[in-house]
Amino acid sequence: QKEVEQNSGPLSVPEGAIASLNCTYSDRGSQSFFWYRQYSGKSPELIMFIYSNGDKEDGRFTAQLNKASQYVSLLIRDSQPSDSATYLCAVGPDTGFQKLVFGTGTRLLVSP
Amino acid sequence: DAGVIQSPRHEVTEMGQEVTLRCKPISGHDYLFWYRQTMMRGLELLIYFNNNVPIDDSGMPEDRFSAKMPNASFSTLKIQPSEPRDSAVYFCASSPFGRGNQPQHFGDGTRLSIL
Repeated sequence: QKEVEQNSGPLSVPEGAIASLNCTYSDRGSQSFFWYRQYSGKSPELIMFIYSNGDKEDGRFTAQLNKASQYVSLLIRDSQPSDSATYLCAVGPDTGFQKLVFGTGTRLLVSP
Repeated sequence: DAGVIQSPRHEVTEMGQEVTLRCKPISGHDYLFWYRQTMMRGLELLIYFNNNVPIDDSGMPEDRFSAKMPNASFSTLKIQPSEPRDSAVYFCASSPFGRGNQPQHFGDGTRLSIL
């Protein structure tokens, strides 16, 4: 059973701080990694995706991938109350396949 | 550009009734996915299509569930007969063809309540 693990939280950070969200996965052959944000009662919204080891930055968001350790993380700099949501990690089993495995999500709370 | 469109947004019906959920993927996307989300089980993939052909339906919980994609712009997920444990939010997502996994884009979902 291929698994994606996330701490359910809530992760509480003050406004302006860096929020660090982590995700581990069991399938060593995984090749693609996605972060989705989901506000309560809404649908998942793609934040970032990463395919290669290292960091990928997009505005206040940075995705970090370490395939050797089988973890992927999402850093949110200068956190805002509007970032409060559940963040879902999704992992693609292998190149060429379209089936993603989702983690159960980490709830982030950013306090003013 | 229009995103993934799902209907209805909400559905409340009694146990035993047939339920049909509808989805229009983003134009040009080759893959269509049906997911179910509950508090207990999170987001689960039910079935996905590639170019209108079902590829993997191993997530479909039982024979009461069926899905079709008669053309590139329309898909349905049907539950017959419905049961209270089918109550969940059902999402449709689509993604383009590409080398490796491409980002999936979700519709707004259908919130289904079976009484």
